[in-house]
Amino acid sequence: AQSVSQHNHHVILSEAASLELGCNYSYGGTVNLFWYVQYPGQHLQLLLKYFSGDPLVKGIKGFEAEFIKSKFSFNLRKPSVQWSDTAEYFCAVNVWGSQGNLIFGKGTKLSVKP
Amino acid sequence: DAEITQSPRHKITETGRQVTLACHQTWNHNNMFWYRQDLGHGLRLIHYSYGVHDTNKGEVSDGYSVSRSNTEDLPLTLESAASSQTSVYFCASSGRETGRTNEQFFGPGTRLTVL
Repeated sequence: AQSVSQHNHHVILSEAASLELGCNYSYGGTVNLFWYVQYPGQHLQLLLKYFSGDPLVKGIKGFEAEFIKSKFSFNLRKPSVQWSDTAEYFCAVNVWGSQGNLIFGKGTKLSVKP
Repeated sequence: DAEITQSPRHKITETGRQVTLACHQTWNHNNMFWYRQDLGHGLRLIHYSYGVHDTNKGEVSDGYSVSRSNTEDLPLTLESAASSQTSVYFCASSGRETGRTNEQFFGPGTRLTVL
């Protein structure tokens, strides 16, 4: 069965530090990839998505992610985090052709110290 | 603006009671999903629907049921609530494009406590 791994459960950074959150998936076919963010007490919101084309995807709030097919990875990055980025981040994968279903990773909690 | 709403936002119930959580979307989306979110487990899919009268079991469907009588609503029913079903429940919806998927839009969640 397909699965999504997020290796970091909790990341603590100081403001202005650079961020990289790992995401790996286990499926050899065509996939669509997503990063969602959940701010404290709120619902999930889409940060960015990859369907095809340029493997470097830019999202909202200065986030970007790079799809590396050979490594089955879709890591999330931000050059300089802010306190307001404190949230939980979820990577999700949709297997091409499986309509709307997403497989989520277990999430990475990011805490940014002011 | 289109949106997805859930009610109630908070619910406390007793073991053995039947509970129904409502989900209503005005996106006119074909696909609707129910997830539960638990610490250490992330989001797990309970049930999903690709259209009216279509329902499918997800990863953790035991003890839950859904029905889809119209495009807008996908209520989730706990037939006999158990303490293990204490969780935060999220409803989501997405459109449908042949061969690919749109993003899922999430509701605000329902926090359910089963005593």
